[in-house]
Amino acid sequence: EPEVTQTPSHQVTQMGQEVILRCVPISNHLYFYWYRQILGQKVEFLVSFYNNEISEKSEIFDDQFSVERPDGSNFTLKIRSTKLEDSAMYFCASSLDRGQLFFGSGTQLSVL
Amino acid sequence: AQTVTQSQPEMSVQEAETVTLSCTYDTSESNYYLFWYKQPPSRQMILVIRQEAYKQQNATENRFSVNFQKAAKSFSLKISDSQLGDTAMYFCAFHPNTGFQKLVFGTGTRLLVSP
Repeated sequence: EPEVTQTPSHQVTQMGQEVILRCVPISNHLYFYWYRQILGQKVEFLVSFYNNEISEKSEIFDDQFSVERPDGSNFTLKIRSTKLEDSAMYFCASSLDRGQLFFGSGTQLSVL
Repeated sequence: AQTVTQSQPEMSVQEAETVTLSCTYDTSESNYYLFWYKQPPSRQMILVIRQEAYKQQNATENRFSVNFQKAAKSFSLKISDSQLGDTAMYFCAFHPNTGFQKLVFGTGTRLLVSP
């Protein structure tokens, strides 16, 4: 069964460093998303991406964040200068239509 | 703005029994999707069941079923014959069927199934 793949599963970084989280969505999907979940809290929407551009973003998704689909298969989330409060599980998701999102297994980001 | 409320932070049930997790939501949309996701300790998000708002029939998926009350904006999940592997965090989520829309999640209910 096709699945959304995220790498790495764990990422540890120093405050102020740049990180890139990688995702390979399901191949025929058209909509791509990033969500995050701070430990013990609910899952929060960050950004959606369609037709090679951001379609919606939350107020969490400030200038420190960017997304890219560089080669038609990968979908990346970059955090330019990480802060302690960026520590969270980051989930990538994709969908063929607007009805059902398929989630990856997440990247746990720890900012020290 | 759409909101999703899960009023039960934690629930416990014994193996083989039935448990119901509640969820209410608020929206002005008429066409939307509702979901229940399971998050085990591995923290992966696993889809349990989905419901389209235009369908009156309640969705079922093996031991999982929903009670969808559109007028009351209620979407509860019933787990029958609970198993130890059902122990997880359960999130209710809402997804409008218009535009480029995001999932809105509730705060979750932690379910513990004991032997």
